[in-house]
Amino acid sequence: TQLLEQSPQFLSIQEGENLTVYCNSSSVFSSLQWYRQEPGEGPVLLVTVVTGGEVKKLKRLTFQFGDARKDSSLHITAAQPGDTGLYLCADSLYNQGGKLIFGQGTELSVKP
Amino acid sequence: GAVVSQHPSWVICKSGTSVKIECRSLDFQATTMFWYRQFPKQSLMLMATSNEGSKATYEQGVEKDKFLINHASLTLSTLTVTSAHPEDSSFYICSARGQAGSYEQYFGPGTRLTVT
Repeated sequence: TQLLEQSPQFLSIQEGENLTVYCNSSSVFSSLQWYRQEPGEGPVLLVTVVTGGEVKKLKRLTFQFGDARKDSSLHITAAQPGDTGLYLCADSLYNQGGKLIFGQGTELSVKP
Repeated sequence: GAVVSQHPSWVICKSGTSVKIECRSLDFQATTMFWYRQFPKQSLMLMATSNEGSKATYEQGVEKDKFLINHASLTLSTLTVTSAHPEDSSFYICSARGQAGSYEQYFGPGTRLTVT
């Protein structure tokens, strides 16, 4: 059974600071996805990465996928209170109907 | 595009009753829908995968007779929690996948179930 470990589990920072969240898998990712979820809402897809070594940027967010396709990081530059939420990495298992295996999440709080 | 809705957004029911939650893909046809459960401050746990016109596939440990899933059309899946108990109280989220071969799922806003 694949296990996704995220670190840190909780992160509380001040507005303007930078941060990095990590996601490590016990096996090679089929397709890595990062989501952000706000309280009382469903997760929202931020990015999908498939190729090892791939780097994708989404405004102040930078996503890196390890060369071996077993780890990933999410870096946020100059965090804002609107970045507050639960960040989840997930593997989309194409050979199992596309079901998602989620990490336990990183709870981020950005204080003004 | 790719909007998924859930109804109701929250529901309170008495122990022993059944509750139905609807998940709809509003602007695309969803060949596959997924149902998740989430406890406070925790991640999403996949309960089952449903494909239109066929029986749902349940994850290990999920009682199929308690959590009835129906995927009768390409835009609608329902989850019925039968004989609900307080321990069934949770946040239930559905997602939908459109094209076969697509890696992307689109999530609904969730349904908060409270069993008293």
